[in-house]
Amino acid sequence: NAGVTQTPKFRILKIGQSMTLQCTQDMNHNYMYWYRQDPGMGLKLIYYSVGAGITDKGEVPNGYNVSRSTTEDFPLRLELAAPSQTSVYFCASGGRERWNEQFFGPGTRLTVL
Amino acid sequence: AQTVTQSQPEMSVQEAETVTLSCTYDTSESDYYLFWYKQPPSRQMILVIRQEAYKQQNATENRFSVNFQKAAKSFSLKISDSQLGDAAMYFCAYRSPNTGNQFYFGTGTSLTVIP
Repeated sequence: NAGVTQTPKFRILKIGQSMTLQCTQDMNHNYMYWYRQDPGMGLKLIYYSVGAGITDKGEVPNGYNVSRSTTEDFPLRLELAAPSQTSVYFCASGGRERWNEQFFGPGTRLTVL
Repeated sequence: AQTVTQSQPEMSVQEAETVTLSCTYDTSESDYYLFWYKQPPSRQMILVIRQEAYKQQNATENRFSVNFQKAAKSFSLKISDSQLGDAAMYFCAYRSPNTGNQFYFGTGTSLTVIP
């Protein structure tokens, strides 16, 4: 099993550009999450999904969009990149049981200039 | 929303010694899970240990153990016989069964292990 994979690993965007961060998991998990991690800070939840076709906002959703058309994939879309979106982005997945932990991808380091 | 607080931004420990990382949380829920994650320089988040709120017995995983005080809403991580490979950021996390099973993370503690 590959677990949770994210692409790309690094990206530099110009202000106003758009991009999609890809996330795929092969563990048949219902729950998937997108976080951002700013320097010296913890993880802030952007969006999450409890199953295909169902998504919901987390703590910091502004400037982002998601979709969940399959169990495996949960892409994160940045429409108009801003310097405030410079961060490391993590995708995670997990089972629905309360004791299930989250499995994380390796992260994407995004810089907006 | 639940809040998770890690009041020690940085900690250091001598190799082979013991260190305790603190975590407190705020919740009105009675049934939840708590987790400690490790993030080494590679950035990969790794689960260290988990604790169910209804279990009074503290969880243990090899050299890692927790001190869970439900009434005090405290969940500290003890690392015994510290090794160089333990150097990392450590995040405490709370899983809510009610708010869409969201995880709430603390701001992390950076642990340095001194040879």
